[in-house]
Amino acid sequence: QQQVKQSPQSLIVQKGGISIINCAYENTAFDYFPWYQQFPGKGPALLIAIRPDVSEKKEGRFTISFNKSAKQFSLHIMDSQPGDSATYFCAARKYRGNKLVFGAGTILRVKS
Amino acid sequence: DTEVTQTPKHLVMGMTNKKSLKCEQHMGHRAMYWYKQKAKKPPELMFVYSYEKLSINESVPSRFSPECPNSSLLNLHLHALQPEDSALYLCASSQPSGRSDTQYFGPGTRLTVL
Repeated sequence: QQQVKQSPQSLIVQKGGISIINCAYENTAFDYFPWYQQFPGKGPALLIAIRPDVSEKKEGRFTISFNKSAKQFSLHIMDSQPGDSATYFCAARKYRGNKLVFGAGTILRVKS
Repeated sequence: DTEVTQTPKHLVMGMTNKKSLKCEQHMGHRAMYWYKQKAKKPPELMFVYSYEKLSINESVPSRFSPECPNSSLLNLHLHALQPEDSALYLCASSQPSGRSDTQYFGPGTRLTVL
């Protein structure tokens, strides 16, 4: 119930293409779903986040789609660039909780 | 300013050494976190301080000892570590127990235990 399942484990996309990473959860107490981007040797940085009362959130080239009934959410990176090559983690947190539950991560490589 | 700073950036220590990791934030956040991250794995929560009090300890071995001297500082004291403790140690901060609270991560300390 505490798990967040993330797929795929790794992803190779051509420059200009769309990168899609999917996450699924079981615990309906989760109410905050952030995505983090991490470059080698750096700490994770918040990319975009969503709450379940919204089905989609867009910030620049990054979009989160949220399906509450299916308990799934996904990150779409439009016009993917080599600089987007990084590891992406989805996460979930309970209402008023401090603990983030992370997915296993997706290593994205954008080929130029 | 959304910066969390951590020192040192790299640390090599023997199994009998005592060392400390330091973390600082000036965002006025009242929750601070220690995570451990192994290569190609997600961060694993170790400890959470809320209003300078330890609120979560994820069954971490006693060779790791956290300390929160004030609302801006967080330390992790290390003693008698094992080689398997080698990892990236991340500090994070946020506002405590609210909705949509972003956790801001520091760059981490790369720890190697010989």
